[in-house]
Amino acid sequence: GAVVSQHPSRVICKSGTSVKIECRSLDFQATTMFWYRQFPKQSLMLMATSNEGSKATYEQGVEKDKFLINHASLTLSTLTVTSAHPEDSSFYICSADSQSRTQETQYFGPGTRLLVL
Amino acid sequence: SQKIEQNSEALNIQEGKTATLTCNYTNYSPAYLQWYRQDPGRGPVFLLLIRENEKEKRKERLKVTFDTTLKQSLFHITASQPADSATYLCALNTGTASKLTFGTGTRLQVTL
Repeated sequence: GAVVSQHPSRVICKSGTSVKIECRSLDFQATTMFWYRQFPKQSLMLMATSNEGSKATYEQGVEKDKFLINHASLTLSTLTVTSAHPEDSSFYICSADSQSRTQETQYFGPGTRLLVL
Repeated sequence: SQKIEQNSEALNIQEGKTATLTCNYTNYSPAYLQWYRQDPGRGPVFLLLIRENEKEKRKERLKVTFDTTLKQSLFHITASQPADSATYLCALNTGTASKLTFGTGTRLQVTL
């Protein structure tokens, strides 16, 4: 149980285009979903926290107009990287905590590798 | 400033030995601390959670200790196997709800 999926797993796009990444909790309802970014050989950096039906809370230094987050249901959150540039190339990982399970544990998706040319 | 530090150098140990990984933090007062495993190109997988009022937690070959005075957690893998080779991340509850802040991770390599 507690499976989180992400789609796509890999994406290559041209500079200036927008990319949408989906994060789904497959067998539980997620109170909160989190979006992280991980650069090579570095740790996960939290970008934003989203709760279903409300606006996301962004971490300091993360541009909310560039990284659009929509949490439309208890099982789906999307991250859209708008006008992507090469420096946005990274590994994007989502996680979710559960209404019914312990909310202290986050269940992570497999990640999305974004390469902006 | 706030920091979560893990040994950035890889830890190489022989199969069958006990691996011990360290997580030190400063200027945090976490309600709990977690350990995750991450394989290359994959998302982290939850291993263990230990609360501020707990000294030790075990799960099969894994053991975690938490010393809030020293601001340190130790993560042990006994009878290590090559399949245990991965990066291990510690994470602290650092804000509202279930928000986590991660350490940089330590790469463990278990050789035959």
